[in-house]
Amino acid sequence: DTEVTQTPKHLVMGMTNKKSLKCEQHMGHRAMYWYKQKAKKPPELMFVYSYEKLSINESVPSRFSPECPNSSLLNLHLHALQPEDSALYLCASSQSGQVGGYTFGSGTRLTVV
Amino acid sequence: QKEVEQDPGPLSVPEGAIVSLNCTYSNSAFQYFMWYRQYSRKGPELLMYTYSSGNKEDGRFTAQVDKSSKYISLFIRDSQPSDSATYLCAMSSYNNNDMRFGAGTRLTVKP
Repeated sequence: DTEVTQTPKHLVMGMTNKKSLKCEQHMGHRAMYWYKQKAKKPPELMFVYSYEKLSINESVPSRFSPECPNSSLLNLHLHALQPEDSALYLCASSQSGQVGGYTFGSGTRLTVV
Repeated sequence: QKEVEQDPGPLSVPEGAIVSLNCTYSNSAFQYFMWYRQYSRKGPELLMYTYSSGNKEDGRFTAQVDKSSKYISLFIRDSQPSDSATYLCAMSSYNNNDMRFGAGTRLTVKP
């Protein structure tokens, strides 16, 4: 299995809703990442997990809450989002210690209404 | 000045053309250089991964890194309509804390 699987593919949520994005990989990668990508812009790093521990939080607002329950799963919990948070949310993974060369999922396209 | 500069295009070429995509960067600590291809509504897919200066070839794709000029290139030979996508350069130093993406170049290969 050489894929990163993200669910759901599309999500529409209201500003008062709570939802979660899920990411799964079975490549034995011990580093996992959340990126946010706006239309026609490059991906922006949000969080990095290394060996299930949060190692980087790029000053992301607290309405985004990451969780890494085990080495194969990564969640992003969403609460009280704003319309400007609408974007493609990408999960990626890599071998721990590897620099770059990530495997990305297809993303969750989030619309906040 | 942005750390990574990449012309967003769009770039349109006829099928069979040689395509040249480029990025420049300002951080001399960058050592790892990547090219990703991203189809519409999909996640980026790693195409090429190189360390330090030099050339790397994989099929129709060739990546070049010139650290002295802080300039990287991706060449696509015999371009195909299926190559139509956005191409993102990315680079990093010795860890993933400072990995930076270029803006991406949107390429269209016309049959």
